[in-house]
Amino acid sequence: GESVGLHLPTLSVQEGDNSIINCAYSNSASDYFIWYKQESGKGPQFIIDIRSNMDKRQGQRVTVLLNKTVKHLSLQIAATQPGDSAVYFCAENWAATSGTYKYIFGTGTRLKVLA
Amino acid sequence: DADVTQTPRNRITKTGKRIMLECSQTKGHDRMYWYRQDPGLGLRLIYYSFDVKDINKGEISDGYSVSRQAQAKFSLSLESAIPNQTALYFCATSRDQETQYFGPGTRLLVL
Repeated sequence: GESVGLHLPTLSVQEGDNSIINCAYSNSASDYFIWYKQESGKGPQFIIDIRSNMDKRQGQRVTVLLNKTVKHLSLQIAATQPGDSAVYFCAENWAATSGTYKYIFGTGTRLKVLA
Repeated sequence: DADVTQTPRNRITKTGKRIMLECSQTKGHDRMYWYRQDPGLGLRLIYYSFDVKDINKGEISDGYSVSRQAQAKFSLSLESAIPNQTALYFCATSRDQETQYFGPGTRLLVL
């Protein structure tokens, strides 16, 4: 298995049910957010993103919700499938005063899909 | 993502050895990054480069160095490997400040 996931919170969901994965971000100045999926033995893969001027964005079977008031991000996966089993983590991005951009990645949540 | 490749995929080395991890990309992106991933921690940035002549330290650059040989190549070196550098290392690229595309990772074990 993937050693990076040993200490992660785990969400177990029945196949076909909807999954909701949550993320609390740290910087109120963050203006861009991304959800990544990381399967065992692979690098993180982009799923969906959202800018801070939006509160909801939908993709194919996935929806990201952004609540800036409480600095909370969620990823909803509809009709969860076995192939959705992976570690999911969020990332926030903001423009730093030095003129560069800062990325902070969350630690992740392991999603287990039960047959 | 096959557009970002890393070599080697796995490496075992001994304390004190110098090793190099290599990253190549065919996405045509100017920006490249090196991260490490440890159990229970998020990805942490080691170094990043916004173009061939630009190199910047990330949050955990001590003990590492990088070289941007070309737009498509960004290598990470451990000058004298130590056991707490055992981790998964990822290279990533991006066109701008937004979405980053990751390679498959290199699993490094320092004995």
